[in-house]
Amino acid sequence: GAVVSQHPSWVICKSGTSVKIECRSLDFQATTMFWYRQFPKQSLMLMATSNEGSKATYEQGVEKDKFLINHASLTLSTLTVTSAHPEDSSFYICSSPYRGVNTEAFFGQGTRLTVV
Amino acid sequence: AQSVTQPDIHITVSEGASLELRCNYSYGATPYLFWYVQSPGQGLQLLLKYFSGDTLVQGIKGFEAEFKRSQSSFNLRKPSVHWSDAAEYFCAVGTGTASKLTFGTGTRLQVTL
Repeated sequence: GAVVSQHPSWVICKSGTSVKIECRSLDFQATTMFWYRQFPKQSLMLMATSNEGSKATYEQGVEKDKFLINHASLTLSTLTVTSAHPEDSSFYICSSPYRGVNTEAFFGQGTRLTVV
Repeated sequence: AQSVTQPDIHITVSEGASLELRCNYSYGATPYLFWYVQSPGQGLQLLLKYFSGDTLVQGIKGFEAEFKRSQSSFNLRKPSVHWSDAAEYFCAVGTGTASKLTFGTGTRLQVTL
């Protein structure tokens, strides 16, 4: 199957700083990337959808100025959590469909963010 | 809006016993259906998926699931559970597209020896 590589696997940052999470498609062109968030002991919730070369679409309730998504190339999408606070501590995971949005999406390994 | 319900938050079974995890969805048409497993602190692993065709689908690790349109269900089953199956299980649906998913709340499976 297709491979989506997500880094870092875990990160600890101080409150008020920014953190960047990268998702790379290793063997296919990721024209679309989905970003999900999972709070402890909860389900995964879609945060936003990004398409290469265009602005991301955010789900209701997700602050676009806080969660900056860049999808400037067909193999790389990034999520930057700006001015992180402890309540942003979560598991963030990306996924991308291998051949268009009507095919199965492959997930990255996820990033555990802890803001102290 | 579409929704996915996993009625059982936590299930405990003995090793070797059979398992069924329930999943119901709300959507006007036939969705794309998935089951994922997540071990503590880990990412998601796809167990199986249903797009169309035979409503009984086989997955990895001896899991299977059956799509029942009349019941809007996609329950996951395994005839004999192993201790290594202890994990969190998520049902997910893709409505409109197969890749943009709505997840259920998850079922935590505990396996006793």
